[in-house]
Amino acid sequence: AQTVTQSQPEMSVQEAETVTLSCTYDTSENNYYLFWYKQPPSRQMILVIRQEAYKQQNATENRFSVNFQKAAKSFSLKISDSQLGDTAMYFCAFTFRTGANNLFFGTGTRLTVIP
Amino acid sequence: DAGVIQSPRHEVTEMGQEVTLRCKPISGHNSLFWYRQTMMRGLELLIYFNNNVPIDDSGMPEDRFSAKMPNASFSTLKIQPSEPRDSAVYFCASSWAGQGDGYTFGSGTRLTVV
Repeated sequence: AQTVTQSQPEMSVQEAETVTLSCTYDTSENNYYLFWYKQPPSRQMILVIRQEAYKQQNATENRFSVNFQKAAKSFSLKISDSQLGDTAMYFCAFTFRTGANNLFFGTGTRLTVIP
Repeated sequence: DAGVIQSPRHEVTEMGQEVTLRCKPISGHNSLFWYRQTMMRGLELLIYFNNNVPIDDSGMPEDRFSAKMPNASFSTLKIQPSEPRDSAVYFCASSWAGQGDGYTFGSGTRLTVV
């Protein structure tokens, strides 16, 4: 079975600082995608960044970047220059590249950016 | 594109009543997913469809829950009869299967059963 683990239920960071959210996953598959979703208080689920497992290069989207360690099955999210609008729940998620494409979600990390 | 559209945004109903949640996926997407989110259980996949066909409904809690997708642009999730423990936020999401682009979520329906 595929599992996604986020071991940090809550984190906080000072505005303009950098924070890293952890995620590990377990699968026997070799081809898959990984995602980070953001859920602000508005409850809308927003895709932040995606990573293709067959690409070694870490994905980057503006202030958001990942550290993808395939052998360790680790997929952490780094937020640089944290802004107040980054306050949200962050979910790590996994899906297969072929076949069933349902997303497996972690339990989330609640991030608070402190002014 | 207006994104994934869910209605209603909020629903308050009495125990025993029938509740119908609605979803319009993004045009061109061929996969549709219904999730439930609660504090206790997090995000749970209830059911998903590929090309309007239910693929996996193992997450549907019990027979009181049913979902349909009569065409590529519309899906419903029905709870009959509703119970207080069904209170949650219900999300619909759509995607293009196999592209790895991730889901696009609707804004969810907050259901409260009193």
